[in-house]
Amino acid sequence: EVQLQQSGAELVRPGTSVKLSCKVSGDTITAYYMHFVKQRPGQGLEWIGRIDPEDDSTKYAEKFKNKATLTADTSSNTAYLKLSSLTSEDTATYFCTTVWTNIGTSPYVMDAWGQGASVTVSS
Amino acid sequence: DIVMTQAPLSVSVTPGESASISCRSSKSLLHSNGITYVYWYLQKPGKSPQLLIYRMSNLASGVPDRFSGSGSETDFTLKISRVEAEDVGIYYCGQLLENPWTFGGGTKLELK
Repeated sequence: EVQLQQSGAELVRPGTSVKLSCKVSGDTITAYYMHFVKQRPGQGLEWIGRIDPEDDSTKYAEKFKNKATLTADTSSNTAYLKLSSLTSEDTATYFCTTVWTNIGTSPYVMDAWGQGASVTVSS
Repeated sequence: DIVMTQAPLSVSVTPGESASISCRSSKSLLHSNGITYVYWYLQKPGKSPQLLIYRMSNLASGVPDRFSGSGSETDFTLKISRVEAEDVGIYYCGQLLENPWTFGGGTKLELK
């Protein structure tokens, strides 16, 4: 069973950057698209983008194109989300997630979510 | 981007009764392969979202069959029969048809 383990909470200064990690266990990361989702306090879910660790191709939501950078390290089975030029608007919990189809006589869809990484931007 | 609109914002249910949550998409979520790419999630307080229903009407692994999903190409419903205390949280619909994935604003389920 695929599990995702995220890095810990971060307290960062405005204007700086932060890099969050998401480690995959139970399978090789290259078998999955890794997605990242933002959730501001008391708010809903917002998709940031995804990376295909097989070829490092990425897709981003328009509003995150100058904010987020997704990378992956296949040797450590880990995906990364870097957030730059941080402001108070970036204070949120960031989740990594993936979804896949179990192929078999009766295919079914499964997903996995990391536990979330809290980022607080404050001076 | 596809806009997902959920209703109501909150619902208060007596344990043992049923609850329904609606979700509407701004574009058809029916793919040419015949699959409708709407998903339902429950986020319990302080936890990550958990998958309840995938591809409009399929129950995710380990989810009680009190949960069911239905709908058309743009209008969807999550029904919870015989609501229990463990069902409390925020429910989100989401479309995984195309990037960017988008989600409804959430429906908070509380017990009376």
